Amino acid sequence: SAVISQKPSRDICQRGTSLTIQCQVDSQVTMMFWYRQQPGQSLTLIATANQGSEATYESGFVIDKFPISRPNLTFSTLTVSNMSPEDSSIYLCSVLTVNTEAFFGQGTRLTVV
Amino acid sequence: GEDVEQSLFLSVREGDSSVINCTYTDSSSTYLYWYKQEPGAGLQLLTYIFSNMDMKQDQRLTVLLNKKDKHLSLRIADTQTGDSAIYFCAGADGSSNTGKLIFGQGTTLQVKP
Repeated sequence: SAVISQKPSRDICQRGTSLTIQCQVDSQVTMMFWYRQQPGQSLTLIATANQGSEATYESGFVIDKFPISRPNLTFSTLTVSNMSPEDSSIYLCSVLTVNTEAFFGQGTRLTVV
Repeated sequence: GEDVEQSLFLSVREGDSSVINCTYTDSSSTYLYWYKQEPGAGLQLLTYIFSNMDMKQDQRLTVLLNKKDKHLSLRIADTQTGDSAIYFCAGADGSSNTGKLIFGQGTTLQVKP
């Protein structure tokens, strides 16, 4: 299995500011992902975090709004830039292990006011 | 692309069995997952099944996969009040083979004492 530490667990931010979310996993994993869960909704993939190169974004998500870094195999960050109230969501880091188990962090609950 | 559908709500009595159903469209999905999300928490991986399996059992949990009908179910035996949560099924995106998951809308399980 893999244990994921995601920080911060929650935050309240002013519109127009940016927040960086960190994801640390305790073992080497093959893939790291960032998902968004809007209030009362299911999960939607934002992007795949690629080690040492630009992330691969899903349709509807762009690098300028959600810059992602993955400097090594066990750490990634997601920044939510120039926030608006519509960005209020839970943001979740996910990893895929060599055994094809897909684990999730506890999520970051973001409220933009 | 993959589409995953679930019924939205299930109510059972404590001690009964719960069956949560899921249908998917992508026959090339290699792995199918079940997650539990309690209020205010992240996603807990319950179990997963490889597409060449028909059934997988893990203590109180039984997963059945009907590939012909693209139907997946999660049976929880002897359901307890602590099982009350939202349950998500997710399929690995077989077309891209990148480990991305496509989620259903989630089934809210209510367990009555």
